[in-house]
Amino acid sequence: KAGVTQTPRYLIKTRGQQVTLSCSPISGHRSVSWYQQTPGQGLQFLFEYFSETQRNKGNFPGRFSGRQFSNSRSEMNVSTLELGDSALYLCASSLGPTSGSSGANVLTFGAGSRLTVL
Amino acid sequence: GENVEQHPSTLSVQEGDSAVIKCTYSDSASNYFPWYKQELGKGPQLIIDIRSNVGEKKDQRIAVTLNKTAKHFSLHITETQPEDSAVYFCAPQYSSASKIIFGSGTRLSIRP
Repeated sequence: KAGVTQTPRYLIKTRGQQVTLSCSPISGHRSVSWYQQTPGQGLQFLFEYFSETQRNKGNFPGRFSGRQFSNSRSEMNVSTLELGDSALYLCASSLGPTSGSSGANVLTFGAGSRLTVL
Repeated sequence: GENVEQHPSTLSVQEGDSAVIKCTYSDSASNYFPWYKQELGKGPQLIIDIRSNVGEKKDQRIAVTLNKTAKHFSLHITETQPEDSAVYFCAPQYSSASKIIFGSGTRLSIRP
């Protein structure tokens, strides 16, 4: 089956612009999580969506937002870009809290969207 | 919230030797303990996991051991090979948690 697809893979923006990143989860997966990965900070949790609802949010400013559509696809948006927003943005999908007796949130990651802010 | 510490941050071993990476967590309610491997240019990929009712799990050259009392679990790689070179992350969590905290990562290098 197809994996998690993130678009675009690479993009360059300038300070002050905004960007929208897209994530298509594995078919049947209803939970989508977003992470920011930088060399100095590792994998930082941004937010998680399940059934179009944001269930949790990390410690990021309000410039970072996201949403999930009825087909489980998700987008994240960063407004008023800053140099420090340069990072690899990773999306991960999972079955979500209704995954059965195991209850485990096994994440499948996409390859990421590498954002460079100049 | 969950506090996760992973050690070492970098590890270099001779090809054929063993490597061990340790992850310590704070939330005693955690009951699922996975390890992810991230190769260059790719997203992290699950390589092995363990539930809290099991002390050890092996899959060919990799194994995970869990000490719930001490709140730590470890990744063991035996007979290391060049393709084991990557960054490894732990991500302890409680059932279907909506916020999963990852360890800071361990960069493993295999010397020929």
